[in-house]
Amino acid sequence: NAGVTQTPKFRVLKTGQSMTLLCAQDMNHEYMYWYRQDPGMGLRLIHYSVGEGTTAKGEVPDGYNVSRLKKQNFLLGLESAAPSQTSVYFCASSTLGTANSPLHFGNGTRLTVT
Amino acid sequence: GESVGLHLPTLSVQEGDNSIINCAYSNSASDYFIWYKQESGKGPQFIIDIRSNMDKRQGQRVTVLLNKTVKHLSLQIAATQPGDSAVYFCAENRLLGQNFVFGPGTRLSVLP
Repeated sequence: NAGVTQTPKFRVLKTGQSMTLLCAQDMNHEYMYWYRQDPGMGLRLIHYSVGEGTTAKGEVPDGYNVSRLKKQNFLLGLESAAPSQTSVYFCASSTLGTANSPLHFGNGTRLTVT
Repeated sequence: GESVGLHLPTLSVQEGDNSIINCAYSNSASDYFIWYKQESGKGPQFIIDIRSNMDKRQGQRVTVLLNKTVKHLSLQIAATQPGDSAVYFCAENRLLGQNFVFGPGTRLSVLP
């Protein structure tokens, strides 16, 4: 049982390049989330999904897109990377949503945009 | 007092002592709270949660206390071990939308 798996672990992009971060969970969780973590700011929600085929915006969605084509996968895309998107990105999943169950996190993707 | 900006508050304790990490939350209507532990290079790891209809909950070596009157949450770690060294942060559920509000964290350093 791997839990939440994120790929890649590290990535360096040039400004304007695009990439997709992959997240997979094997716990059959309905809810999935993408967060970014910046020094001194705590985790901030980018986008989330309450089920296969559905997505919604979080606190800081600009510059990102997501897709949830399969229940176990949640993809985060950056169409045109900017230095402000340098961060550590965490994917998480939960069974019943944030009112009732904790988030289970992956180990993160460290992204640097130059 | 707590520092601001990029510097996390740090708590240093001797191995074997008890640790108490504090957190102030923002919304008096929040009804679900979680403590997470984050080790360097890893994702946050769930430690313990508590609902607003409780004021105390115990796990293995950990206790969470909730004081709704002053909107304060604390995590007590008994017999602190070197493996407890990490950043600890609390989270409160947002009542609208699927989200938690995460605190910036406290760094726990266990001294030999």
